[in-house]
Amino acid sequence: GENVEQHPSTLSVQEGDSAVIKCTYSDSASNYFPWYKQELGKRPQLIIDIRSNVGEKKDQRIAVTLNKTAKHFSLHITETQPEDSAVYFCAAKGGERGSTLGRLYFGRGTQLTVWP
Amino acid sequence: DTEVTQTPKHLVMGMTNKKSLKCEQHMGHRAMYWYKQKAKKPPELMFVYSYEKLSINESVPSRFSPECPNSSLLNLHLHALQPEDSALYLCASSRRDWDIVGELFFGEGSRLTVL
Repeated sequence: GENVEQHPSTLSVQEGDSAVIKCTYSDSASNYFPWYKQELGKRPQLIIDIRSNVGEKKDQRIAVTLNKTAKHFSLHITETQPEDSAVYFCAAKGGERGSTLGRLYFGRGTQLTVWP
Repeated sequence: DTEVTQTPKHLVMGMTNKKSLKCEQHMGHRAMYWYKQKAKKPPELMFVYSYEKLSINESVPSRFSPECPNSSLLNLHLHALQPEDSALYLCASSRRDWDIVGELFFGEGSRLTVL
């Protein structure tokens, strides 16, 4: 099956700095890579996603890059704010017929803390 | 309505109780999901329903029994649970079928404590 590794597990930055979270995946057939933000006691919410036929996507302060050859993708948050503090999960969606098809495999999460 | 609604928000039950978790969405989404999430861990897939039919059961113990009465509702029936089943149970839905790429919309979850 698919294996998604996420680093770092914790990240502390000063307000205004940038934050980068990196994920690798093992299944070259995976075709969709969402990032979810989960605040304490809240639901996971999609903040950005990228499909396997795109290398980069940006939405205001948030960007995601995908390197299919190296099988890694990264989340970049610029001009961080205290309200960006949360757990961030990367995920990869299986694309191969069989046991991985359609399943969303999550990384273990990164606790981001933004200090004012 | 752009939300997935789950009830109850909190549930405490004994190991011999029978209870149910409920999930509702009125977005016309084709697939609905149950996930289990332990503290500081990612969500783990339990079940997927597509067009009201069970498509995926991730080898979940039979003490968890899902039901999809119609395209808007998803239930999870609980019976003879163990303390290690205490977790946040998240319902989710997706506009397109489960094997097609697209956003998962999560509910706020039902926090279950088994005594």
